[in-house]
Amino acid sequence: QSALTQPASVSGSPGQSITISCTGTSSDVGGYNYVSWYQQHPGKAPKLMIYEVSNRPSGVSNRFSGSKSGNTASLTISGLQAEDEADYYCSSYTSSNTLVFGGGTKLTVL
Amino acid sequence: QVQLVESGGGVVPPGRSLRLSCATSGFTFRNYGMHWVRQAPGKGLEWVAVIWYDGSNKYYADSVKGRFTISRDNSKNTLYLQMNSLRAEDTAVYFCARDMDAVTTSTLDYWGQGTLVTVSS
Repeated sequence: QSALTQPASVSGSPGQSITISCTGTSSDVGGYNYVSWYQQHPGKAPKLMIYEVSNRPSGVSNRFSGSKSGNTASLTISGLQAEDEADYYCSSYTSSNTLVFGGGTKLTVL
Repeated sequence: QVQLVESGGGVVPPGRSLRLSCATSGFTFRNYGMHWVRQAPGKGLEWVAVIWYDGSNKYYADSVKGRFTISRDNSKNTLYLQMNSLRAEDTAVYFCARDMDAVTTSTLDYWGQGTLVTVSS
């Protein structure tokens, strides 16, 4: 149950686009379309932003999008806004019927 | 509206036990799988356990297998986590979260605010 690999930090200026990667294996990210992305502000509970690779829950801005290629999933945020500054986590269902998270990525809006 | 409220956290010495509860409302509890996820201070999210909608299947992270037990009472709309043989590395905020599905461990669409467990002598 090794954690999925995410960059520790990314940054961008308001209005720009950024992409966060999430790398796993064929036993998790590559084997299933059950990749999700969560946003967490300090001291708050995580919030679901993307599910099943590329689906947005109701109420989530269309500036957030997801994709997957092989064992790597990606979250793209376009038109960066100050309120997007937060920690982002990916997760994936695994072949062991468990769930695994990425180590998290701190997004800084410059 | 969907609400999940954790309780039962606190300070406990190493080796002791603690039971967490997650009271839910605003949805039909018995139709959804439920998870526990934890976050050590200043660290990332770590999945702990899942229980299917009817309690028929349970799965655990290797780090807690054999020490923690997830359970649910569908008549009380409540999720539990029994934590035994606690270690310092179990210190974390524990979140309960609803799975979007009844049986798959995939998407956590609603989360509680968490309860802090501190394992220390």
